[in-house]
Amino acid sequence: DTGVSQDPRHKITKRGQNVTFRCDPISEHNRLYWYRQTLGQGPEFLTYFQNEAQLEKSRLLSDRFSAERPKGSFSTLEIQRTEQGDSAMYLCASSSTGTGGRTEAFFGQGTRLTVV
Amino acid sequence: GQNIDQPTEMTATEGAIVQINCTYQTSGFNGLFWYQQHAGEAPTFLSYNVLDGLEEKGRFSSFLSRSKGYSYLLLKELQMKDSASYLCAVRAGELTGGGNKLTFGTGTQLKVEL
Repeated sequence: DTGVSQDPRHKITKRGQNVTFRCDPISEHNRLYWYRQTLGQGPEFLTYFQNEAQLEKSRLLSDRFSAERPKGSFSTLEIQRTEQGDSAMYLCASSSTGTGGRTEAFFGQGTRLTVV
Repeated sequence: GQNIDQPTEMTATEGAIVQINCTYQTSGFNGLFWYQQHAGEAPTFLSYNVLDGLEEKGRFSSFLSRSKGYSYLLLKELQMKDSASYLCAVRAGELTGGGNKLTFGTGTQLKVEL
């Protein structure tokens, strides 16, 4: 399977706990994105890497959120001191820096986080 | 910033044609994408427009007018499996490559009925 994979698919945690999600992008893709999606909404941009460099972070990303992509391959998204408002689907996507502008992002299946 | 509007819900009949509209206001434009998302699944890429005009791809076509900030997705010969959410997304940033992120609309939930 050469698609974007995310782990775990589901996570239930108690409020105040820390959680970490992993994303493995398509191997030849150098760009990696994290999005958050709640029911009935489109995905909201959180952060973006080109290779190992984190180039942009959304203002939605509070200090409790941190993302890394240490070797320019897989990425992790950590949420510290989770709150009920963090409950959402966390989507990872990857794309390449192709020519001609058509560099569509391919999405993983997401990690559904429930904070109780 | 970006503002993207699309209808929340649409209903159509199997075998018919449906057009889903999307209007956008952006501070920069580097392409418009349409994604399909079935409940509980990842968004999957459908189409891409960066120049004005129509792009056709089988039963799906997408149109863009940059001067009007308007796009539509046209689905022909509707099938029951086309029932899904359709997401319009705009990519901002320079054509030479800064900031490839997508800003999504809330999605249009399409229901195909017999």
